[in-house]
Amino acid sequence: DTEVTQTPKHLVMGMTNKKSLKCEQHMGHRAMYWYKQKAKKPPELMFVYSYEKLSINESVPSRFSPECPNSSLLNLHLHALQPEDSALYLCASSHMGAQKGTDTQYFGPGTRLTVL
Amino acid sequence: DAKTTQPNSMESNEEEPVHLPCNHSTISGTDYIHWYRQLPSQGPEYVIHGLTSNVNNRMASLAIAEDRKSSTLILHRATLRDAAVYYCILRDPRRNYGQNFVFGPGTRLSVLP
Repeated sequence: DTEVTQTPKHLVMGMTNKKSLKCEQHMGHRAMYWYKQKAKKPPELMFVYSYEKLSINESVPSRFSPECPNSSLLNLHLHALQPEDSALYLCASSHMGAQKGTDTQYFGPGTRLTVL
Repeated sequence: DAKTTQPNSMESNEEEPVHLPCNHSTISGTDYIHWYRQLPSQGPEYVIHGLTSNVNNRMASLAIAEDRKSSTLILHRATLRDAAVYYCILRDPRRNYGQNFVFGPGTRLSVLP
């Protein structure tokens, strides 16, 4: 099974709401990622978890809060978002291979977020 | 800076070869070149990666220039299902571990029947 699942597929929220995005994989991968993709732009890395620990935060505002409860699950908690945060949020996972720079990342289909 | 440049769009006829170029003049000596594609309404998917020599797999071929400052993704016979945005990707040079991808701007490939 090489699938990364993300829920929900679509999410509309107000600026005062609190919501969460979920991502799941069962490939035994120990690295998991959150990306943000604006329309007609490439994905941009937000967070990286390695062995359930946050290893990279690309200076993401604190209104985005990632969580990795176990090796298969990755959440992104959202609070007090702005309309400019509307985007496709992609989750990905990969092995933590011994050779740097060669592991394939497997992406989910994304959650399309609209902030009103 | 792990910067890549790609043409904004390209067009191909079905069943003809397609050559998608990427420039990465600041690539470090140990960084792999990755190619992913994103079909409409989907997340990116792996296509191929390489370091120095040319690489082939069932999806595509990757030709890497001898000085590694450019590469070309080759689809040998384009099909309608190959219409997608193709991204050339390098790893973030600020970090010496992990798969911290920096996506290029992408080339939107249209395949005409």
